[in-house]
Amino acid sequence: QVQLQESGPGLVKPSETLSLICIVSGGSISDNSWGWIRQSPGKGLEWIGHIYYSGSTNYNPSLKSRVTISVDTSKNQFSLRLTSVTAADTAVYYCARLEAWGGFRYWGQGSLVTVSS
Amino acid sequence: EIVMTQSPATLSVSPGERATLSCRASQSVGSNLAWYQQKPGQAPRLLIYGASTRVTGVPARFSGSGSGTEFTLTISSLQSEDFAVYYCQRYNNWPPLTFGGGTKVEI
Repeated sequence: QVQLQESGPGLVKPSETLSLICIVSGGSISDNSWGWIRQSPGKGLEWIGHIYYSGSTNYNPSLKSRVTISVDTSKNQFSLRLTSVTAADTAVYYCARLEAWGGFRYWGQGSLVTVSS
Repeated sequence: EIVMTQSPATLSVSPGERATLSCRASQSVGSNLAWYQQKPGQAPRLLIYGASTRVTGVPARFSGSGSGTEFTLTISSLQSEDFAVYYCQRYNNWPPLTFGGGTKVEI
C-alpha cells in the first residue's frame, strides 16, 4: 500500500520560500508520477502541479512563475518550492500520486502552512 | 479554461435518504471526471473515476453517471459516515487539472 507523508515548516514569512517534501513509502517513486494540491482554509481544492516519472513537470498557470516540483529518487521523495509567498498561500498542502488517467488516488495527510510575519 | 460548477453548495439529507449531487462542466469533458469525498481534517478520498467507475473498496451505494457536461454522484442510502464534502475533478486534455467547488452533505 502506497503511503505519502508531507513534512516542512508550518510557518513561513511573507516574501520567503515555502518548501515541503513528500516521502513515499510502499512503492518506488520512479515508477509513478506525483503531484501537489492545496486547500485554503474553508475553501476547495487547487491543483498546484505535478512531476512525471520522466522528470518533466506541469504547473498551474496561476502559480507557474513561483513553483518548482522536483524528485529525489535516492530518498524516494519529491518536493515543492513556492517562492515569494503571501498570506494567500496559507493552505493545507497535500502531496498525492498522480494516476495515469489524471486523478489522484493516494494522498498524504496534508501539511498546514501559514504565511505570516 | 474549463470551469467545474457543483450544486448545491450544501445538501441537507437524513440518514437512509438518497443524495444526488451535481457537477457541471463549462464545456465537454467526455467521461473524464472523478469524484472525491473529504471529511473534516482528512485528505480527499477518491471514490469514482471515468465518471462511473468505483474505486475498489468504495461501497456500492455510491454511483456516478453522466458524460459531456453534466455529471451526477448518487448516494443511494446515506450512512452516518457519508456526511462529508464531495468534489468533482475533470481530467480531459490535462493539464491543467481542475476541481469543482464542492458540495457539503450535512445532516
